[in-house]
Amino acid sequence: EDQVTQSPEALRLQEGESSSLNCSYTVSGLRGLFWYRQDPGKGPEFLFTLYSAGEEKEKERLKATLTKKESFLHITAPKPEDSATYLCAVQSGSSNTGKLIFGQGTTLQVKP
Amino acid sequence: DTEVTQTPKHLVMGMTNKKSLKCEQHMGHRAMYWYKQKAKKPPELMFVYSYEKLSINESVPSRFSPECPNSSLLNLHLHALQPEDSALYLCASSQKIGLAGPYEQYFGPGTRLTVT
Repeated sequence: EDQVTQSPEALRLQEGESSSLNCSYTVSGLRGLFWYRQDPGKGPEFLFTLYSAGEEKEKERLKATLTKKESFLHITAPKPEDSATYLCAVQSGSSNTGKLIFGQGTTLQVKP
Repeated sequence: DTEVTQTPKHLVMGMTNKKSLKCEQHMGHRAMYWYKQKAKKPPELMFVYSYEKLSINESVPSRFSPECPNSSLLNLHLHALQPEDSALYLCASSQKIGLAGPYEQYFGPGTRLTVT
């Protein structure tokens, strides 16, 4: 069964304190792995798509990496405005339906 | 432009009411989705439309009725809802669906629905 697990559930950082969020996945052939950011009461905002092991993508203070079993979202020198829930989702290689399998999310709080 | 719009932002309805949620995108995307999200949970897929045809219904109760009038619009008709249906309803779109993907999904801001 396809599954996505994110850790930790919650993360508190001081401003400037770098850290990483983890997304472990079990899927029958990975078509793509997606990272989203979601602010309270709003829709998820697309951040990155990763396709194959070894791939890396960056956007401002965020860097996403992918291995055959997991993805990391590295946050370098975070600011309070980076506080949000970060969602990881995968699309199975056997799926032609567009269905995403989401993890439970990591809620990040960055204190000034 | 990667904008998906949803109306209304908030909706309060009684269990005997009929209401509709609307979603619009002008990115030329041919796949559109409805999700339901409860507090502190990830989005849960309800329906997928591909080229204006219903592709997936994730065993959603019939009190939720989707409609795709054209490639830019997606509606969700609500009737005789229960209090447990209160949630954030999200619309999303992607370029298409299929084995040539993956195609990232872009989400709207959501409609906060409260059923009293």
